[in-house]
Amino acid sequence: DAGVTQSPTHLIKTRGQHVTLRCSPISGHKSVSWYQQVLGQGPQFIFQYYEKEERGRGNFPDRFSARQFPNYSSELNVNALLLGDSALYLCASSGGTGGLDGYTFGSGTRLTVV
Amino acid sequence: QKEVEQNSGPLSVPEGAIASLNCTYSDRVSQSFFWYRQYSGKSPELIMSIYSNGDKEDGRFTAQLNKASQYVSLLIRDSQPSDSATYLCAVNFFGDKIIFGKGTRLHILP
Repeated sequence: DAGVTQSPTHLIKTRGQHVTLRCSPISGHKSVSWYQQVLGQGPQFIFQYYEKEERGRGNFPDRFSARQFPNYSSELNVNALLLGDSALYLCASSGGTGGLDGYTFGSGTRLTVV
Repeated sequence: QKEVEQNSGPLSVPEGAIASLNCTYSDRVSQSFFWYRQYSGKSPELIMSIYSNGDKEDGRFTAQLNKASQYVSLLIRDSQPSDSATYLCAVNFFGDKIIFGKGTRLHILP
């Protein structure tokens, strides 16, 4: 079975541009969460979606948005990119809401803003 | 502000010894607790979950939870060089989001 898949793997963008990151959860998983991980830090929670509804939002500016589609895949959008947005963006899925099951992570998208 | 605290390390442990990793969290209303392992350049991998006070063992790994002290730990017995990684403590606070600590870097010395 395929795990959590993320695309693209790597991305280089210029300041001020917009980026869309994509995630497909494990088959049967209905919850998708997004995390940002800066080098040397733990993952920072951005969003959680369950059954296509937003269930949680972390302390990130409105430039960050996300959505979940009927097939439970998800997109993370970041507008007006800043140099500080350079990070590894991780998508994680869970069969339930994740609170009891924990998450399975994808390999991540490495975003570099120049 | 709900927080998860870990010593960033690095923690150096001789091969074959017990590695002890610790984590504290800020909110008593917490449901579940997780330990993830992250190798350099890779994504986190779930290795242990614990929900009730006490110990939970899985192979060489033992997770310990003390909700009264808001403390969770991970013991790795017979440490191997392949255990060298960053270990992330994660807590599900009341609700659905899981918050991670900054991680502890563990070095197993051959």
